[in-house]
Amino acid sequence: GENVEQHPSTLSVQEGDSAVIKCTYSDSASNYFPWYKQELGKRPQLIIDIRSNVGEKKDQRIAVTLNKTAKHFSLHITETQPEDSAVYFCAAEPGGSYIPTFGRGTSLIVHP
Amino acid sequence: DTAVSQTPKYLVTQMGNDKSIKCEQNLGHDTMYWYKQDSKKFLKIMFSYNNKELIINETVPNRFSPKSPDKAHLNLHINSLELGDSAVYFCASASGANVLTFGAGSRLTVL
Repeated sequence: GENVEQHPSTLSVQEGDSAVIKCTYSDSASNYFPWYKQELGKRPQLIIDIRSNVGEKKDQRIAVTLNKTAKHFSLHITETQPEDSAVYFCAAEPGGSYIPTFGRGTSLIVHP
Repeated sequence: DTAVSQTPKYLVTQMGNDKSIKCEQNLGHDTMYWYKQDSKKFLKIMFSYNNKELIINETVPNRFSPKSPDKAHLNLHINSLELGDSAVYFCASASGANVLTFGAGSRLTVL
């Protein structure tokens, strides 16, 4: 089955800095890569996703890049704000499976 | 209107008991899931189910069983609860667009 590695496990930045979270996956059949944000005590919620036919996608301060050859994808957050503090999960989903496998999460702390 | 609702939100019980967590979605989604989130925040798939197929993560003990009375519900039954079952259990649903919508979670504490 799919295996997703996510790094770092904890990321601490100053407000206004950029944050980058990296993930690798093992199954070359994976073609859908979502990112979820989970605030403390809340449910995970999708913030951005990318499909394998696209190399990069942006939505305001967040962007995701995908390198299919290397089987890795990354989340980039620019101009971080304290409300960006949360646990971020990457996931990879093989085509047709409808079952995403999650990374272990990255706890992002943005200091004011 | 809550899209994916699960009850109870908190559940405290003794080892050896049997308990259930209910999940309902009003999004018309075809696939429903149960995930377990442990104290280290790892989200582990337990089951996925649509009207055609139940897929079970082979690492899940057979004390756990999903039951789906209809397309909008996927309940989780747990027999002979153990200390290690303590976790937050998330129900989720998805359409063919792959995006998961999670419920608010049910925190299970086994004493």
